Amino acid sequence: TQLLEQSPQFLSIQEGENLTVYCNSSSVFSSLQWYRQEPGEGPVLLVTVVTGGEVKKLKRLTFQFGDARKDSSLHITAAQPGDTGLYLCATPSGYALNFGKGTSLLVTP
Amino acid sequence: KAGVTQTPRYLIKTRGQQVTLSCSPISGHRSVSWYQQTPGQGLQFLFEYFSETQRNKGNFPGRFSGRQFSNSRSEMNVSTLELGDSALYLCASSSTTAFDTDTQYFGPGTRLTVL
Repeated sequence: TQLLEQSPQFLSIQEGENLTVYCNSSSVFSSLQWYRQEPGEGPVLLVTVVTGGEVKKLKRLTFQFGDARKDSSLHITAAQPGDTGLYLCATPSGYALNFGKGTSLLVTP
Repeated sequence: KAGVTQTPRYLIKTRGQQVTLSCSPISGHRSVSWYQQTPGQGLQFLFEYFSETQRNKGNFPGRFSGRQFSNSRSEMNVSTLELGDSALYLCASSSTTAFDTDTQYFGPGTRLTVL
């Protein structure tokens, strides 16, 4: 099973700050998905990246896939309290998703 | 379209008991997956079904089992419950056989507490 390491584990910031979270592996990703999970809910897919060097934007969220397809980052600009949640990266493998342990983000007003 | 529904949402059991959790996928979805989420281990894959066939199983003991019905609804069963089985159990569904590129839609989960 491919090991996905996410950092940081926890992040607490003020509204309006920028932040970046990371997902790394020692193996090449076939593709990588980012999810956000809010308390009491299941994860919701934010984006899928497939091509090395790919950059995708979703409003204030920017996702990058490393050139070697072994790492990915999620950058949030001007964080808002609504961004609070657990950010998970995952890669598919044999009819299963392999998840990292996530970054827990708290944005306070 | 209604989302993935899981019942019950909360469950309290005692050690040694067994439990059955239910998942109804989005209408038209034929793939159903189950995951266990704990603070220490994160999200771990349990099993995946497509058209009543189990296509993959995670590294869990035989006490964990599942099945899928002809209407794509799925159940998972945990027998002889242990304290360590306390977790959020999540179900996800997707529409096609192309698992790697298909979007997985997760339900809200069943919170199981074992006392």
